Amino acid sequence: EPEVTQTPSHQVTQMGQEVILRCVPISNHLYFYWYRQILGQKVEFLVSFYNNEISEKSEIFDDQFSVERPDGSNFTLKIRSTKLEDSAMYFCATRLAGITDTQYFGPGTRLTVL
Amino acid sequence: KNQVEQSPQSLIILEGKNCTLQCNYTVSPFSNLRWYKQDTGRGPVSLTIMTFSENTKSNGRYTATLDADTKQSSLHITASQLSDSASYICVVTTLGGGFKTIFGAGTRLFVKA
Repeated sequence: EPEVTQTPSHQVTQMGQEVILRCVPISNHLYFYWYRQILGQKVEFLVSFYNNEISEKSEIFDDQFSVERPDGSNFTLKIRSTKLEDSAMYFCATRLAGITDTQYFGPGTRLTVL
Repeated sequence: KNQVEQSPQSLIILEGKNCTLQCNYTVSPFSNLRWYKQDTGRGPVSLTIMTFSENTKSNGRYTATLDADTKQSSLHITASQLSDSASYICVVTTLGGGFKTIFGAGTRLFVKA
């Protein structure tokens, strides 16, 4: 069964550094999402992406965050200047087309900001 | 305010027993409700998706119900297995101001032998 993949599985960075988290969506899926989950807390929506542009974003997704699909396959989340509170698990998810289609989540990238 | 509340926060049951997890939401307008299973350190896996007109949806030993009038959903797990130990998350999508997704905090289920 096709899977969403994410790299790296774990990223450790210094506060103030830029990080790029990568996701490879399922090949024919059209909608892409980033979520984060701080340890012990609920999953939080960050952003959705369709047709090469952001369709929705949450209050968390401020100017420090950006997303792009640079080569038509990878879907990336960039955090420009990481803060301690950015430490979390970041999940990419994709779905085919319809709003009730299943969202498939990747295994996540654990980001640790020191 | 759009919120999703789940109960209980955690639950311990014996292998082979049934259990029911609850989800109440105040999300409006409603688009759909999903139940996910999340193993520790892994991404959520979809169990069921229900729209406004659906009252029940099954996926193997998992059966979800939805009462859109009272804004309540439940997830019933039949004949639990050790591998059912996980967090079960209720997620509601609203149509208001675009599609927004609100996650519940989850119910942590422990199945003991």
